[in-house]
Amino acid sequence: DSGVTQTPKHLITATGQRVTLRCSPRSGDLSVYWYQQSLDQGLQFLIQYYNGEERAKGNILERFSAQQFPDLHSELNLSSLELGDSALYFCASSVAGRLNEQFFGPGTRLTVL
Amino acid sequence: TQLLEQSPQFLSIQEGENLTVYCNSSSVFSSLQWYRQEPGEGPVLLVTVVTGGEVKKLKRLTFQFGDARKDSSLHITAAQPGDTGLYLCAGVGNRDDKIIFGKGTRLHILP
Repeated sequence: DSGVTQTPKHLITATGQRVTLRCSPRSGDLSVYWYQQSLDQGLQFLIQYYNGEERAKGNILERFSAQQFPDLHSELNLSSLELGDSALYFCASSVAGRLNEQFFGPGTRLTVL
Repeated sequence: TQLLEQSPQFLSIQEGENLTVYCNSSSVFSSLQWYRQEPGEGPVLLVTVVTGGEVKKLKRLTFQFGDARKDSSLHITAAQPGDTGLYLCAGVGNRDDKIIFGKGTRLHILP
């Protein structure tokens, strides 16, 4: 158990819909990262928050957005869903700093029908 | 754009054999991490290497960071079925904290 929790574990929805994925980091970790993992693309970095502020952006679509709240939990919002958005979405947390060692949650499997 | 290339993509070997997987880049990293991921679960951090030329051992796993901090290798001695999984390397940027993952080596150890 990494100490990072993600809900829900599975999510099935239809094209055009909007969903919210939730992540609680390890106690004491200020940084939260979101990743998308599909079979053909590997683990793709989406976005990082540090203590409530956006720190870095990766390959995140404009239809996706995220935020980190004062209690440090984070939400990833996916809207106007397409079939190609079906993937595993992971959240990771770290203390931050140069080593940047990350601890991953169990993931949310999103299926868009 | 920094890229991490992992090779081989897939490896299937018999229990008891030795193997090495590689992680290469043209970019310099301040540190490099190896993770192992099992199906349906999140990646789990195995090790972080920081110094060029550094070697770290974790039981039967030996990790090496290249002298120039651009590449790394993972050597497994006497592989066991429990070593099966996806091995990911990740580099932390030399100028910032950005982390980049390779696409992984999918390892299958046959009993």
